[in-house]
Amino acid sequence: SQTIHQWPATLVQPVGSPLSLECTVEGTSNPNLYWYRQAAGRGLQLLFYSVGIGQISSEVPQNLSASRPQDRQFILSSKKLLLSDSGFYLCACGWGANSPLHFGNGTRLTVT
Amino acid sequence: AQKVTQAQTEISVVEKEDVTLDCVYETRDTTYYLFWYKQPPSGELVFLIRRNSFDEQNEISGRYSWNFQKSTSSFNFTITASQVVDSAVYFCALGGAAGNKLTFGGGTRVLVKP
Repeated sequence: SQTIHQWPATLVQPVGSPLSLECTVEGTSNPNLYWYRQAAGRGLQLLFYSVGIGQISSEVPQNLSASRPQDRQFILSSKKLLLSDSGFYLCACGWGANSPLHFGNGTRLTVT
Repeated sequence: AQKVTQAQTEISVVEKEDVTLDCVYETRDTTYYLFWYKQPPSGELVFLIRRNSFDEQNEISGRYSWNFQKSTSSFNFTITASQVVDSAVYFCALGGAAGNKLTFGGGTRVLVKP
């Protein structure tokens, strides 16, 4: 089984400050990793996904970036947060098209 | 491009009523996968079911049932005899054969009142 650790659970940051959200996965190696964002009352938007160490695909041009320094570690970053970056950020992992994604508990980010 | 539409943004029912959540998808892939997830108030997404495009059998799991109709590109979800604990946001999602990069619908919020 897989366990996804995501922290922090909540975060309040001022506009213009940097951001670093971390996600680690326990269990089977070589997962596909994903960052999704959910704006208040909205659906899930895929931000980044990674099929391996150092391999990052960006789905939406934005103020954020992602990195995968280790097989089971996925980091979401920003140099300068915008108000529009507020939302609920979810890390997920999966292994190919036959398996469902497993999600972490999410980080609720409020940019003030 | 793939697209998932959940036309119902919110459904309110009284406990023990049945509730059906609609999901319509668009894809050009011949092989694809459909999912339903539940997001309770705590926020985490809980996987409920996966269905591949070659399996049109309906499925029942306890009070949950799913109706997959390829002809209408729909994958609807019914909760029978709803309970307060069913209150959550439910997401339908679509994945292609190339990988499990899922496209989510906008979600349907279900409120079950006692």
